[in-house]
Amino acid sequence: DQQVKQNSPSLSVQEGRISILNCDYTNSMFDYFLWYKKYPAEGPTFLISISSIKDKNEDGRFTVFLNKSAKHLSLHIVPSQPGDSAVYFCAALAPNAGGTSYGKLTFGQGTILTVHP
Amino acid sequence: GAVVSQHPSWVICKSGTSVKIECRSLDFQATTMFWYRQFPKQSLMLMATSNEGSKATYEQGVEKDKFLINHASLTLSTLTVTSAHPEDSSFYICSARVLAGAGLYEQYFGPGTRLTVT
Repeated sequence: DQQVKQNSPSLSVQEGRISILNCDYTNSMFDYFLWYKKYPAEGPTFLISISSIKDKNEDGRFTVFLNKSAKHLSLHIVPSQPGDSAVYFCAALAPNAGGTSYGKLTFGQGTILTVHP
Repeated sequence: GAVVSQHPSWVICKSGTSVKIECRSLDFQATTMFWYRQFPKQSLMLMATSNEGSKATYEQGVEKDKFLINHASLTLSTLTVTSAHPEDSSFYICSARVLAGAGLYEQYFGPGTRLTVT
């Protein structure tokens, strides 16, 4: 059961334009979300996160939007650069039973972003 | 962003020997550390979760006697692959979670360790 879904396996964008990466989730217990970028044979690089008490978080060229009612989040990269070409994963966290901390990350399948010069 | 290091980055060992992989959070203290394994063209598979000073919690199907995890401090966790076999060859990645602010969690990953068992 894939609780975090990235339905687009790949995305191709022209340099300078906006890249929009989408992620949907089914588990209503998820209340914290993170985006990662990953190159082959490397560990994921943390990009940005958002708590469910917010609907937007921005950090430089990266903005994450969260629509709780739709159980949907998206990562916007503006402007896109060729160096952004990588696999992007969204991940979700749900509180532990005691509600005092979080359990393990649940990852989506990833979206391959290619930014063309 | 915070840095997580792993050592070694690449190791080759003979079948039947044990290999230890270190994971360090360099500029922060991690509330929790995680060990992942990545198979070719697949997403990361969580092996275990560990908190400093307590026993690791292993995911279903992961042999705790084979993959020994020691979380000695808030900045160091080790994974020992005991009696390694060729099927243990994989890319092992550690991750460290930190409470970065009020309700703000961040989780950083190490660069990974490539293990090849011959």
